[in-house]
Amino acid sequence: EPEVTQTPSHQVTQMGQEVILRCVPISNHLYFYWYRQILGQKVEFLVSFYNNEISEKSEIFDDQFSVERPDGSNFTLKIRSTKLEDSAMYFCASSGLAEEQYFGPGTRLTVT
Amino acid sequence: DQQVKQNSPSLSVQEGRISILNCDYTNSMFDYFLWYKKYPAEGPTFLISISSIKDKNEDGRFTVFLNKSAKHLSLHIVPSQPGDSAVYFCAASPLSNFGNEKLTFGTGTRLTIIP
Repeated sequence: EPEVTQTPSHQVTQMGQEVILRCVPISNHLYFYWYRQILGQKVEFLVSFYNNEISEKSEIFDDQFSVERPDGSNFTLKIRSTKLEDSAMYFCASSGLAEEQYFGPGTRLTVT
Repeated sequence: DQQVKQNSPSLSVQEGRISILNCDYTNSMFDYFLWYKKYPAEGPTFLISISSIKDKNEDGRFTVFLNKSAKHLSLHIVPSQPGDSAVYFCAASPLSNFGNEKLTFGTGTRLTIIP
């Protein structure tokens, strides 16, 4: 069964460093998303992406964040200068037309 | 921001019995509702969904009920099995013919099935 994959599973970085989280969505899906879950809190929407541009972004998704689909398969989330409060599980998701969103296993980002 | 609420942080149910998980929402724009199951160190796994034109959707042991006037939905699992032990998230979005709508999640209910 097709699935969303994410790498790395765990990323440790120092405050102020740039990180890139990678995702491979399900191949025939058209819509891509990033969500995050801070420990003990709810899953929060960050950004959605369609047709090579951002469709919607939340207040969390400020200028420090960017997304890219550099080729036909990868979808990346970049945080330019990480802060302690960026520590969270980051989930990538994808969906087809008017379908439910399928989530990857997540990347645990730890900022020290 | 409490647009989607799951008021029970945990629930324990005997194996073989019915598990009922509840969810309330406040945003009248929500038209599409989903339940996800999550194991530790994994991503949310889609279980079942319902749009506001229906009041019930069933898939095997899982049934979701929607009461739009009360802004309430519930997930019934029957019979409950030990493998159902997980955190269950309710999520909602506006319904779009074009997909691409963000999901708003509840805080989750940890379900424990007692053998």
